[in-house]
Amino acid sequence: DTEVTQTPKHLVMGMTNKKSLKCEQHMGHRAMYWYKQKAKKPPELMFVYSYEKLSINESVPSRFSPECPNSSLLNLHLHALQPEDSALYLCASSQDPGPRTEAFFGQGTRLTVV
Amino acid sequence: DQQVKQNSPSLSVQEGRISILNCDYTNSMFDYFLWYKKYPAEGPTFLISISSIKDKNEDGRFTVFLNKSAKHLSLHIVPSQPGDSAVYFCAARGGGADGLTFGKGTHLIIQP
Repeated sequence: DTEVTQTPKHLVMGMTNKKSLKCEQHMGHRAMYWYKQKAKKPPELMFVYSYEKLSINESVPSRFSPECPNSSLLNLHLHALQPEDSALYLCASSQDPGPRTEAFFGQGTRLTVV
Repeated sequence: DQQVKQNSPSLSVQEGRISILNCDYTNSMFDYFLWYKKYPAEGPTFLISISSIKDKNEDGRFTVFLNKSAKHLSLHIVPSQPGDSAVYFCAARGGGADGLTFGKGTHLIIQP
């Protein structure tokens, strides 16, 4: 099983809304990631959780707030987003945060901010 | 400054022939390289990887070659099939960074 599950698949939210993206994996992976992908661009790393602790925050604005409740779950809380935050948000996991491991991606959440 | 570069935005190959996708990198600290395939509105699917201690890794129709001195890698797909039509991303990790650094992708189109 190499599945990373993301919900919802699509989300439309207003600039004053609060919403959350969810990600789940049951592969026993100890590193989980959030990436953001704009149209015709490569995925860009946002956050890395290593053994349920935030290890990397790539200068992401505070309107994005990650949370790792346990080793299988990763959330991304959204508040007061801007239209330019509309993108495909991808969750990934890898066995550990070491450099020689593959990352497996979920299907993504297509977010539209109106 | 792009650390992983895929200079061909698109590539068209006839079905049954070999597809060769290229990738260059600038960060000498990268020591693990991966190729992902992506369909529109879906997440990237892992294809194949290679460690910097190797120069070739093969998995079925997919072979990745790494030339460390040139900081260049390539993905060979042979024979190419219609289902291979997708965007292919080259990615790298290493140098203490836990995440992946992606190239801009190459759109591979397999023509019947």
